Parts: sequence; C-alpha cells; structure tokens
Amino acid sequence: DAGVIQSPRHEVTEMGQEVTLRCKPISGHNSLFWYRQTMMRGLELLIYFNNNVPIDDSGMPEDRFSAKMPNASFSTLKIQPSEPRDSAVYFCASRLLDTQYFGPGTRLTVL
Amino acid sequence: GDSVTQMEGPVTLSEEAFLTINCTYTATGYPSLFWYVQYPGEGLQLLLKATKADDKGSNKGFEATYRKETTSFHLEKGSVQVSDSAVYFCALRGDNNDMRFGAGTRLTVKP
Repeated sequence: DAGVIQSPRHEVTEMGQEVTLRCKPISGHNSLFWYRQTMMRGLELLIYFNNNVPIDDSGMPEDRFSAKMPNASFSTLKIQPSEPRDSAVYFCASRLLDTQYFGPGTRLTVL
Repeated sequence: GDSVTQMEGPVTLSEEAFLTINCTYTATGYPSLFWYVQYPGEGLQLLLKATKADDKGSNKGFEATYRKETTSFHLEKGSVQVSDSAVYFCALRGDNNDMRFGAGTRLTVKP
C-alpha cells in the first residue's frame, strides 16, 4: 500500500503566482481532507470531501483558496494568487472508517 | 462543539523516563479518541485509538485509556527512547464524523 501521495513535496513560489497542490488518497477510502500546519496556528482543517463531494469548506481561509475532487483518486488544492502568509505545510489525509491516514505533506514557501 | 485540549509543551525527558501527555475532551455523544504522532519532516501517523469508554489503545509501548468519567485520554509510556522524540496530537472523531485535533505536544528525549 503506497499510502496517501502528495505532490510536490516542496514548492517555492513568488507572491501572486498560482499554486496547485495534488493528492492521491488511498484506494477505497471515501473521505479526503486538506489541512494546513503552521507554527503559529497548528493544524487547521481547510476542507473535506465525502465521496468526492465537498462537505465542509468553512476552514478555507478566503476566496483565493479552492479545492476540487474530480474523482475518487485525485484532489487538488489551489491558491490563486498566493501570498507570503500562505507559507505552511499542507497535508492531505484520507479516511477509512474512523481513522485518517496522512500524506507526507507539501511544504509551501511564498516569497 | 467538540474539542480537544492537550497539555502544552515542549516536554523534555531523559531516556528511560516515564512519559505522560494529558488530553481531555469535550464532546456530545460517544466520540472515538486517537493519538497521532508526527516525526520531523513527516505527516501525522496514527499511534493508537480507542472507540468506547474503558477501552485501552496501545502501540509501540504507548498506552491510553478512554476515561468517560473524567473525559480524558492521557498518553503514557513507561520508558521513552530518543527515537520517541516527535510531536504528539490528541484527536477525537465525534458523532458527526468531524475530526478535532489538539494543538500538539512536542516531546524531546535526551540520551
């Protein structure tokens, strides 16, 4: 089992650029979560999907953030335009029954 | 709403010392409780879980008992090792399937 796969692992971009983070959940898991982790704010839930449908996006900080899950094996988190305060580690997780399995994260740096 | 409160860190111990990281929760209904561990540069990994009152979760020498009367799920290990240095997160999954994470407790074990 490959686990949750995220790409890229590291992303450095300049303010104003569009950033797309990608996630492949574990096969058979029907829920997917996007989190952001920073030293100041800890682990924050941004959005989650059940059966590819967004259920709760109340954690998405603002309209610059959007997430899609076009099918059961792929999701994206897009930031457009990016800002320095978006610098963080972004985690994707998928869930089977009551246990979440996290990917390795994408470290985003916005200069 | 549901929430988790865990002891603030950082916690620094010598090798072979006894570890306790406190976690208390607030929830309606009957949540499942979890401890996740995050090693440097990695995503969160499930360490152990308990799904009902008086259940004890255990893994890698760590234990936690679901105490409904005190709404607690404290993490313990009898003898820590340097390799246990990580950030530990207490979490709950409530009846509405939402996952709530604590702020995390950083543990450093010195040889």
